[in-house]
Amino acid sequence: DAGVIQSPRHEVTEMGQEVTLRCKPISGHDYLFWYRQTMMRGLELLIYFNNNVPIDDSGMPEDRFSAKMPNASFSTLKIQPSEPRDSAVYFCASSYHRGEYQETQYFGPGTRLLVL
Amino acid sequence: SQQGEEDPQALSIQEGENATMNCSYKTSINNLQWYRQNSGRGLVHLILIRSNEREKHSGRLRVTLDTSKKSSSLLITASRAADTASYFCATQAGANNLFFGTGTRLTVIP
Repeated sequence: DAGVIQSPRHEVTEMGQEVTLRCKPISGHDYLFWYRQTMMRGLELLIYFNNNVPIDDSGMPEDRFSAKMPNASFSTLKIQPSEPRDSAVYFCASSYHRGEYQETQYFGPGTRLLVL
Repeated sequence: SQQGEEDPQALSIQEGENATMNCSYKTSINNLQWYRQNSGRGLVHLILIRSNEREKHSGRLRVTLDTSKKSSSLLITASRAADTASYFCATQAGANNLFFGTGTRLTVIP
């Protein structure tokens, strides 16, 4: 398996522009997570899906952020309009549920976003 | 907050020495996991220890869990320069998401 795939790996954009980050989870995984990592705040969970349904989006910072998972093999995180404080590394991770617990999460390589 | 806290924030050791990192958390958990992150990369899972386990080994890694103290430790024995990375603990409680700690930055000097 290729692992979790994210695109683009790097994104530089200007304030006010729309940014779309993409993620392909590992085949067979039923959970998908979006995280944001910054030096100041560390690793923050933004939203996660189970079987393509958003379960908890309480970490989404503002209405400017939205995430979708139209099918089991694809998810997007959109920021519209983007602001300089959105600059961070955004990670997608997937996992599957076995028995009572979720097992380990597998992370993608991340998208490094810089908003000028 | 359920977020774990690692201690120390940074650790620098000589190659061959052992490295110990600690994690404390605040609520009851189902399991605790340790992840590693190389600079500029995603996190990689290292080891998972369940709440009913006290110690677990994987290669040069040894993890302990003390649920009464709400703490865990990660020991890396005979460290190598390639172990240089940030190490995060993550806890899972009733919900399905993990809460990640703030990380320990380990530097192993050749």
